[in-house]
Amino acid sequence: QQQVKQSPQSLIVQKGGIPIINCAYENTAFDYFPWYQQFPGKGPALLIAIRPDVSEKKEGRFTISFNKSAKQFSLHIMDSQPGDSATYFCAASLKGGGADGLTFGKGTHLIIQP
Amino acid sequence: DAGVTQSPTHLIKTRGQQVTLRCSPKSGHDTVSWYQQALGQGPQFIFQYYEEEERQRGNFPDRFSGHQFPNYSSELNVNALLLGDSALYLCASSVGLSGYGYTFGSGTRLTVV
Repeated sequence: QQQVKQSPQSLIVQKGGIPIINCAYENTAFDYFPWYQQFPGKGPALLIAIRPDVSEKKEGRFTISFNKSAKQFSLHIMDSQPGDSATYFCAASLKGGGADGLTFGKGTHLIIQP
Repeated sequence: DAGVTQSPTHLIKTRGQQVTLRCSPKSGHDTVSWYQQALGQGPQFIFQYYEEEERQRGNFPDRFSGHQFPNYSSELNVNALLLGDSALYLCASSVGLSGYGYTFGSGTRLTVV
């Protein structure tokens, strides 16, 4: 049972464009929504995270938009660079992951073309 | 500042064998969680260890077991290996049971033949 649905599966954007990756969740008890970036041969690295009491959070070029009523959240990457090419995962958890760990989406393979 | 260290990096085992994977958490972290990442998929939660006890467990059979040592390092053991156990096994460390701010290791790539 997939509790976090992520789309698109893959995405190609020109340098400077704004890739947008979307996730939808089912469990309304989730209260922590992180995004992870993974390069080949490496483990996921935390990019940015949001709690459901805010609708948007920005950290550098990365922005999370959160829509609690729609049970959806998305990642925007401003001024994208070739070095942003990686696989991105959204995730969700109860009580910050202390219970049942993180539930991940299936990932989005992002390519930023020069 | 050493991050999460996992060993070995790659491993090939035969179906039916047993395997032990090791993880040293990031300095200052006392909680270790293990995840399985199949090719092309997101990581799936196996279990979490804190104060040398298994605190939470995902939907994995009893063939998957673990241990945490007094120095917070951890082992993941898988018995009676199946071909479907082939995956990248990730260790993540954090502070306490909040689960915020996981730091992942680079993983152990297990291939079962």
